[in-house]
Amino acid sequence: DGGITQSPKYLFRKEGQNVTLSCEQNLNHDAMYWYRQDPGQGLRLIYYSQIVNDFQKGDIAEGYSVSREKKESFPLTVTSAQKNPTAFYLCASSIGERGQPQHFGDGTRLSIL
Amino acid sequence: GQNIDQPTEMTATEGAIVQINCTYQTSGFNGLFWYQQHAGEAPTFLSYNVLDGLEEKGRFSSFLSRSKGYSYLLLKELQMKDSASYLCAVRDQAAGNKLTFGGGTRVLVKP
Repeated sequence: DGGITQSPKYLFRKEGQNVTLSCEQNLNHDAMYWYRQDPGQGLRLIYYSQIVNDFQKGDIAEGYSVSREKKESFPLTVTSAQKNPTAFYLCASSIGERGQPQHFGDGTRLSIL
Repeated sequence: GQNIDQPTEMTATEGAIVQINCTYQTSGFNGLFWYQQHAGEAPTFLSYNVLDGLEEKGRFSSFLSRSKGYSYLLLKELQMKDSASYLCAVRDQAAGNKLTFGGGTRVLVKP
C-alpha cells in the first residue's frame, strides 16, 4: 500500500546530541514537509521541499536541518542547537498541485533524557 | 503573516450537530483545508474549500466565505469516534503556497 512511513515512533535524545528522524513516501509525491506539534497546539512548519535537491525554511527552522537527495526521502535532523526539541514531529507529502491535500505519516515523538 | 483562529474546545452530545468555526487573515488566499486528528495520531484530510459555498461529504460539511475570511466545519449525527481535534489550515499564495494551521479545536462527544 502507498503511504508515508516515519521512524522511529518514539525517540529519546540526550542533551547535546543530534538525532535524525526518518520520513519515506512511496506515493510519488513531489512535495514533502516537516511539522512540529506541541501539546494542545496546531502544526508549525519546520522545512519543506517541493522538488529533489531543493528545500526551504519554514516558520521555525532554527536548530533543524534537512536533506532531499531522493524523491522518496526527506530526513530531519534535530541538532543540539534546538533548545526545546521535545515535541511530536509529523512528516507530510503532497502532489504539490492546488487543492491536493497533504498526507501525513504517523509521527515521531521526541523526548529529552 | 497569517492569523488563523479556532475555538480551543467544544463539547457536544452523541447524535447532535456541532459547528466548528475558523477565521483567517491572509494576503493571498489559495484554499482552506480541514483535518481530523485523534490524540497521538496523524491528521487525516476531511475537506477542501477554495470557492465560496458549502461542500458536503456524508456527515461532514465545510463552508467558506472568502470575503469574510471565514469557514466552518459541520459535524452531523455525532458519534463517539468523532471525539478528536479538528484543524483548520489555509494555503497562502503570497507565502509560497505553504499551509498554515490553526491551533485546532478539540471536540468531546458525550453519550
